Amino acid sequence: DAGVIQSPRHEVTEMGQEVTLRCKPISGHDYLFWYRQTMMRGLELLIYFNNNVPIDDSGMPEDRFSAKMPNASFSTLKIQPSEPRDSAVYFCASSYERGGLDEQFFGPGTRLTVL
Amino acid sequence: GQNIDQPTEMTATEGAIVQINCTYQTSGFNGLFWYQQHAGEAPTFLSYNVLDGLEEKGRFSSFLSRSKGYSYLLLKELQMKDSASYLCAVRDILSGGYQKVTFGIGTKLQVIP
Repeated sequence: DAGVIQSPRHEVTEMGQEVTLRCKPISGHDYLFWYRQTMMRGLELLIYFNNNVPIDDSGMPEDRFSAKMPNASFSTLKIQPSEPRDSAVYFCASSYERGGLDEQFFGPGTRLTVL
Repeated sequence: GQNIDQPTEMTATEGAIVQINCTYQTSGFNGLFWYQQHAGEAPTFLSYNVLDGLEEKGRFSSFLSRSKGYSYLLLKELQMKDSASYLCAVRDILSGGYQKVTFGIGTKLQVIP
């Protein structure tokens, strides 16, 4: 398997623009996670899905952020409008549970810079 | 909610042993993970503990004490390539039976010759 795939790898945009990040989880995994990582706050869970259904979105900062998972092989994280404080690395991860162990497999991340 | 504490930085010498501690406070503990993250890369899974005791995997071992809310990651025979951040992550059972994994800020380990 190719692992978790994210696109784009780098995104530079101007404040106020819409940003869409994409993720393809590992085939057969039933959990998908979106994280944001910054130096100050570390790795923060934004939202996660189980079988394409959003389970916990309490980490989504505000209404400017939205996430969808229309099918088992694709998810998007959208920021509209973007702000400079959204600059961070956004990771997508997927997992499946077996006997209690469900380590997460992370994609390479999208480095977002909002000017 | 959860509170996870780990040192922000550590330095150790090549060939030595280093122990990275993690303490946590949680209401519905259901497992602890350690991940390794090299600079500019994604985190990768290292170990998992759900019962008290030591789990050994090659040069890496992880220990858990549920009663003390404490874990450590032990790295033996340090190599330069072990220079990375090490993230402690705790899985919690939420109301409704759902689970949530929360990551600590990470410990940046520098291995020096």
